[in-house]
Amino acid sequence: ETGVTQTPRHLVMGMTNKKSLKCEQHLGHNAMYWYKQSAKKPLELMFVYSLEERVENNSVPSRFSPECPNSSHLFLHLHTLQPEDSALYLCASSPQLGSTANYGYTFGSGTRLTVV
Amino acid sequence: GDSVTQMEGPVTLSEEAFLTINCTYTATGYPSLFWYVQYPGEGLQLLLKATKADDKGSNKGFEATYRKETTSFHLEKGSVQVSDSAVYFCALRGGSNYKLTFGKGTLLTVNP
Repeated sequence: ETGVTQTPRHLVMGMTNKKSLKCEQHLGHNAMYWYKQSAKKPLELMFVYSLEERVENNSVPSRFSPECPNSSHLFLHLHTLQPEDSALYLCASSPQLGSTANYGYTFGSGTRLTVV
Repeated sequence: GDSVTQMEGPVTLSEEAFLTINCTYTATGYPSLFWYVQYPGEGLQLLLKATKADDKGSNKGFEATYRKETTSFHLEKGSVQVSDSAVYFCALRGGSNYKLTFGKGTLLTVNP
């Protein structure tokens, strides 16, 4: 148990479907992140939330829509995806954003997304 | 900006062999340095960290020393096991930056 739970673990969706990925943490962390992990590529930071406010959106296409209703939950809403969006989507959390740099992130196990 | 360069894989070793995975970094200020491990089908787990120069992080027999003079944080283990087979990521977090910057990862396969 890593403290960050992601559901579903696997998802297959058609290009016209709408689905959502869920991330939940009960670590008392105030910052949450979405990463995309594709084969043969570095981890890509997609979105950053701090205390439910989005602080970063790294030029992610609008077919990905994040939502952070509270500091424990983070969603990634998906619609009209492309096959190249197939990847492992990782959620992470950290105690806070800010100047203290001596902690890393706690990651979930990820959602393996396949777009057909 | 910040960047991390780690050795290209894959790395294949026999059980009980010595492991080194090289990692060098570029950063402004005084970053904290991390090694993460990703087992097949799983997310990333923090393996060890070091927050200032000459610190040594260690966990599960793995070690890495923060070398400011060579901007390096090489991962080592004296005797690897089959269960160590995974992808290893070097990462840094800048002194005033919330972002965690990752290397591309190194796949390690340990054969019995």
